[in-house]
Amino acid sequence: GQSLEQPSEVTAVEGAIVQINCTYQTSGFYGLSWYQQHDGGAPTFLSYNALDGLEETGRFSSFLSRSDSYGYLLLQELQMKDSASYFCAVLYNFNKFYFGSGTKLNVKP
Amino acid sequence: GAVVSQHPSRVICKSGTSVKIECRSLDFQATTMFWYRQFPKQSLMLMATSNEGSKATYEQGVEKDKFLINHASLTLSTLTVTSAHPEDSSFYICSARVRTSGGAEQFFGPGTRLTVL
Repeated sequence: GQSLEQPSEVTAVEGAIVQINCTYQTSGFYGLSWYQQHDGGAPTFLSYNALDGLEETGRFSSFLSRSDSYGYLLLQELQMKDSASYFCAVLYNFNKFYFGSGTKLNVKP
Repeated sequence: GAVVSQHPSRVICKSGTSVKIECRSLDFQATTMFWYRQFPKQSLMLMATSNEGSKATYEQGVEKDKFLINHASLTLSTLTVTSAHPEDSSFYICSARVRTSGGAEQFFGPGTRLTVL
């Protein structure tokens, strides 16, 4: 089976940097994705890592270490609009995603 | 990026009725679509994988006779919740996976909020 662990809630102030960690256990691992979901909305794609290392896209970066079964999402220059839930998801068996329980990020002024 | 639409966005129905939810890929062909269910303040749970022209593959614990999935074309998959009951009230989200040069991206529809009275 699959399991993912990520913190349930994180609070940070505007302009700060926050890191959301994700550890996973799965068979048939292909990659790790991150999604953002605002209350009442659908998830939106942020990143996908198949190889070890850091991928940077604007203010957001995502890291993967396959040997440690670990990844993180780094959000820089936090803005109020970044307040949302963030889900890590493993791609396994090539075609399926299994989602973590989500991390609620609260950005305060 | 790829656009996935869902219809309806919100539906309220009486217990015992059936509800059909449509999922469309608007600007690409999706040979495979996925159906998820999300209860309030919980994660997305994969219900089934919908393959064009063949039977859907259901995850363990999901009743295939209750959640009927049809993937009639490369741009349309439908989920029918049959004989809906209040416990079926949830946020139903479809997605399509797009293979890219960098790996894989999964694009989600806007979701359908089902309330069964």
